[in-house]
Amino acid sequence: AQTVTQSQPEMSVQEAETVTLSCTYDTSESNYYLFWYKQPPSRQMILVIRQEAYKQQNATENRFSVNFQKAAKSFSLKISDSQLGDTAMYFCAFMKSFNAGKSTFGDGTTLTVKP
Amino acid sequence: DTEVTQTPKHLVMGMTNKKSLKCEQHMGHRAMYWYKQKAKKPPELMFVYSYEKLSINESVPSRFSPECPNSSLLNLHLHALQPEDSALYLCASSQLARRESTDTQYFGPGTRLTVL
Repeated sequence: AQTVTQSQPEMSVQEAETVTLSCTYDTSESNYYLFWYKQPPSRQMILVIRQEAYKQQNATENRFSVNFQKAAKSFSLKISDSQLGDTAMYFCAFMKSFNAGKSTFGDGTTLTVKP
Repeated sequence: DTEVTQTPKHLVMGMTNKKSLKCEQHMGHRAMYWYKQKAKKPPELMFVYSYEKLSINESVPSRFSPECPNSSLLNLHLHALQPEDSALYLCASSQLARRESTDTQYFGPGTRLTVL
């Protein structure tokens, strides 16, 4: 069974600074998908960024980028130029395949961006 | 349109009531999911429907009964719930594309359920 570990329950960052959220996972699969989701307080969960395990290049989406280290089974999220709207709970998730249907989520990191 | 809608937004029910949660998407997605989420916890998968057939049931108690009447609609029927079932119930969908590298899971806003 896969496990996903987010070792930072809470983090804070000053507006405009950079913050990195960590995620490690355990799997015996060689191909899979990794995701970071953002869930603002009382708001909808949205996908921030995704990474396919067979792609060595780290995914980026505007101010969000990942550092994917497959051998180390590490998948950290870097948020540059943090904004107040980035305040949310961030979940790291693993999925073997969409056909398999099952996602494994980490416990989440609550990020607070301070003005 | 990349939207998953859920109704109602809030639901309060007694332990003897029967109610239903509804989820809808019009993106042509062929997989739909029900998750349960407690406050400040990650979502827990309950059910997955693939091509309108139940493909995953994570040993959910029978007081939760899913239904997928068509490819756009997913219901969760509730009966004889317990107070510990109070939670945010999230629906999600994904395309089940031939090329999985293009697939994404979209979440609805959730139904906040309180069982008295």
